[in-house]
Amino acid sequence: DTGVSQNPRHKITKRGQNVTFRCDPISEHNRLYWYRQTLGQGPEFLTYFQNEAQLEKSRLLSDRFSAERPKGSFSTLEIQRTEQGDSAMYLCASSSPTGMGYNEQFFGPGTRLTVL
Amino acid sequence: QQQVKQSPQSLIVQKGGISIINCAYENTAFDYFPWYQQFPGKGPALLIAIRPDVSEKKEGRFTISFNKSAKQFSLHIMDSQPGDSATYFCAASRGGNNRKLIWGLGTSLAVNP
Repeated sequence: DTGVSQNPRHKITKRGQNVTFRCDPISEHNRLYWYRQTLGQGPEFLTYFQNEAQLEKSRLLSDRFSAERPKGSFSTLEIQRTEQGDSAMYLCASSSPTGMGYNEQFFGPGTRLTVL
Repeated sequence: QQQVKQSPQSLIVQKGGISIINCAYENTAFDYFPWYQQFPGKGPALLIAIRPDVSEKKEGRFTISFNKSAKQFSLHIMDSQPGDSATYFCAASRGGNNRKLIWGLGTSLAVNP
């Protein structure tokens, strides 16, 4: 399978604990995005990487959130001191610019986080 | 403020019918408009996308109609099938290095057999 993969698929944690999610993009895709989706809503942008550089962070990404993409390959999203409001589906997408200059984002299956 | 407005919120169509979902946007800097399909518990899957230099794009049973002057675009699903039952999202992105997607709130489509 050459699509975007995310692990774990589900995570249940207690309030105050730290969690880390991993995203493996499509091979050779240099752009990677994290989004958050709550029930009944469309995804909301969290952060964007081009290769290993984190080029934009949403104001939704509080100080408790950090993301990395070492060596421009896989990415991790860490949430410290989780709160119940962090419960959501965390989606990762990757893309590479096409010849037309726009890009198509391909999504992974997501990680469903439940904070008790 | 919702930058991409999607309607209807839910839609019920009979098998073989046409499903139509509409979206409107305000930001004229948007230059890429994709539609995604999402099944429960899964990530969104890209269905079809359009740029504002064309008014229509068709791929199989799926067609996007784009009206640049009205700042509206729509998804038409021809010959709707029960397997099309899912949530559909329109989105938009603007030019520049970060092509982050701005999403509509989604339309829950149910196709009755």
